[in-house]
Amino acid sequence: QKEVEQDPGPLSVPEGAIVSLNCTYSNSAFQYFMWYRQYSRKGPELLMYTYSSGNKEDGRFTAQVDKSSKYISLFIRDSQPSDSATYLCAMTYLLSGYSTLTFGKGTMLLVSP
Amino acid sequence: DAMVIQNPRYQVTQFGKPVTLSCSQTLNHNVMYWYQQKSSQAPKLLFHYYDKDFNNEADTPDNFQSRRPNTSFCFLDIRSPGLGDAAMYLCATSGRDNQPQHFGDGTRLSIL
Repeated sequence: QKEVEQDPGPLSVPEGAIVSLNCTYSNSAFQYFMWYRQYSRKGPELLMYTYSSGNKEDGRFTAQVDKSSKYISLFIRDSQPSDSATYLCAMTYLLSGYSTLTFGKGTMLLVSP
Repeated sequence: DAMVIQNPRYQVTQFGKPVTLSCSQTLNHNVMYWYQQKSSQAPKLLFHYYDKDFNNEADTPDNFQSRRPNTSFCFLDIRSPGLGDAAMYLCATSGRDNQPQHFGDGTRLSIL
């Protein structure tokens, strides 16, 4: 079993839809959970990160962590064509100083006008 | 804006011809990382510098080396590139600010 599982997609939705992106993980030692957005031919851009179980909201984006189920989600409300990208979940034990990130393979999202 | 800058954005080299990729950062982070990312795959960590201390991942080929002459700059040297080394190479940084890693936009390496 891989440490982090993420459906590669592609996930195709119409503009305005609510998008749900998910990752499961096996290592209960992970403490911090991140979502990166990666446009084609660009580097990963940090969208959100969370520490505790529960929800964290930032504009149209909501990150959700359920440590008991080892499951994290990213919700995108009112999706836009500009949201079309690959979304990578990542997780780690600590943030300060050196931190090893364990990534999912990424989910490709396509939002059609 | 503070950022991680990678040069060049695109690099073409010949099979077996040494190539150097560069990364600079204005974040004053003490840790710098190099990742390799192939199409539709997650970034794979090659090595990192914690201050001046170099740390190699166990499965990083000997063909890959790195230099960090100062806090701001880090270089990735590929001594004899093979066709399998064609990929996007990402530089990232982290520091003592309890923030996740910041990535540059990468260098896409092609091997002829």
